[in-house]
Amino acid sequence: GAVVSQHPSRVICKSGTSVKIECRSLDFQATTMFWYRQFPKQSLMLMATSNEGSKATYEQGVEKDKFLINHASLTLSTLTVTSAHPEDSSFYICSASPVGRNEQFFGPGTRLTVL
Amino acid sequence: ELKVEQNPLFLSMQEGKNYTIYCNYSTTSDRLYWYRQDPGKSLESLFVLLSNGAVKQEGRLMASLDTKARLSTLHITAAVHDLSATYFCQGTYKYIFGTGTRLKVLA
Repeated sequence: GAVVSQHPSRVICKSGTSVKIECRSLDFQATTMFWYRQFPKQSLMLMATSNEGSKATYEQGVEKDKFLINHASLTLSTLTVTSAHPEDSSFYICSASPVGRNEQFFGPGTRLTVL
Repeated sequence: ELKVEQNPLFLSMQEGKNYTIYCNYSTTSDRLYWYRQDPGKSLESLFVLLSNGAVKQEGRLMASLDTKARLSTLHITAAVHDLSATYFCQGTYKYIFGTGTRLKVLA
């Protein structure tokens, strides 16, 4: 149980385009989902926390107009990187917390490469 | 400033040896998590430490938590090559991750 999927697993796009990443909790409902970014050989940095049905809470330094997060249901959150640039190339990982549990389950990650 | 620091950042050790990774955090955390990450992969949950004095063991890994000292440890016993990975701790305050410890076990 407690499986989280991400799609796509890998994406390459041209500079200036937008990319949408989906995060799904497959066998549980998640009131809260988290989006992290990880650059090579670095730790995971929390970008934003999203709660179902409400606006996401972004961490300091993360542009909310560039990284659009939607958490429309208890099993799906999406991250859209708008007008992507090479410096947005990174490994994006989502996690989900089951209702009533203070625990995170992580997706397999999405590797974004912006040319 | 909120910090979760791990020590050491890099660890190269021989098979069969023991070693401890330390995780210090600067704000109160009622529980502490340990994860493993293999290159190019996401995180694998290792331990959830729920209270002060908690100790958990799985195979060659043992984790402990001292909430008063704001310290958690991950002890490796008789290391094997398969343990080579990056290990992260994480507190519950804003779910901040530690800096990570990259472990390499040499045959």
